[in-house]
Amino acid sequence: QSVLTQPPSASGTPGQRVTISCSGSSSNVGSSTVNWYQQLPGTAPKLLIFSYDQRPSGVPDRFSGSKSGTSASLAISGLQSDDEADYYCAAWDGRLNGYVFGSGTKVTVL
Amino acid sequence: QVQLVESGGGVVQPGRSLRLSCAASGFTFSSYAMHWVRQAPGKGLEWVAVIWYDGSYKYYADSVKGRFTISRDNSKNTLYMEMNSLRAEDTAVYFCARAPSYTGPFDYWGQGNVVTVSS
Repeated sequence: QSVLTQPPSASGTPGQRVTISCSGSSSNVGSSTVNWYQQLPGTAPKLLIFSYDQRPSGVPDRFSGSKSGTSASLAISGLQSDDEADYYCAAWDGRLNGYVFGSGTKVTVL
Repeated sequence: QVQLVESGGGVVQPGRSLRLSCAASGFTFSSYAMHWVRQAPGKGLEWVAVIWYDGSYKYYADSVKGRFTISRDNSKNTLYMEMNSLRAEDTAVYFCARAPSYTGPFDYWGQGNVVTVSS
């Protein structure tokens, strides 16, 4: 049982916009910066979004993040076949004194 | 370029011990917090432990507290995870990851090292 809740799957056709939600609590999403990671099949995770809406160098601006209260969202616009991957939200939990991940969302490009 | 290379994984019997290493290069190792994250077969990511840049503080997930010990040697640019009393549920790919702070984010990850606990 993950501390952060994500939908197990999301899908869209090429060019569409897909949104992934991440629900937490006041001890994690509500009080810490939220980060998003992308994990392509068989590879290590990669930092996609940090501090809610910042992109590391090299991450296209098709990926964007936002936060409201104890929930956060990742949006992928102009969906491409290369975007098929698992996506995880994560944040530091001040009550648990640990880093918590969402359950992960598998994005499929139809 | 930043590189994190894990080693030390393998197959071990339940109740035995194993030590993972993560060799860092391409950055000032002693300026970053370091984390271990694991992923059981077919499952999601699970955070395991963090160590401060100077080793002064360490936090662990409840699932490994009292059995795993994270440590680092800044003179060797290496992170370690001593895993004792291993259980079947510890079977996973173990990743080391770099973070500018103990709260993350994990901006660089190792390639992962497989640990299998089985009799």
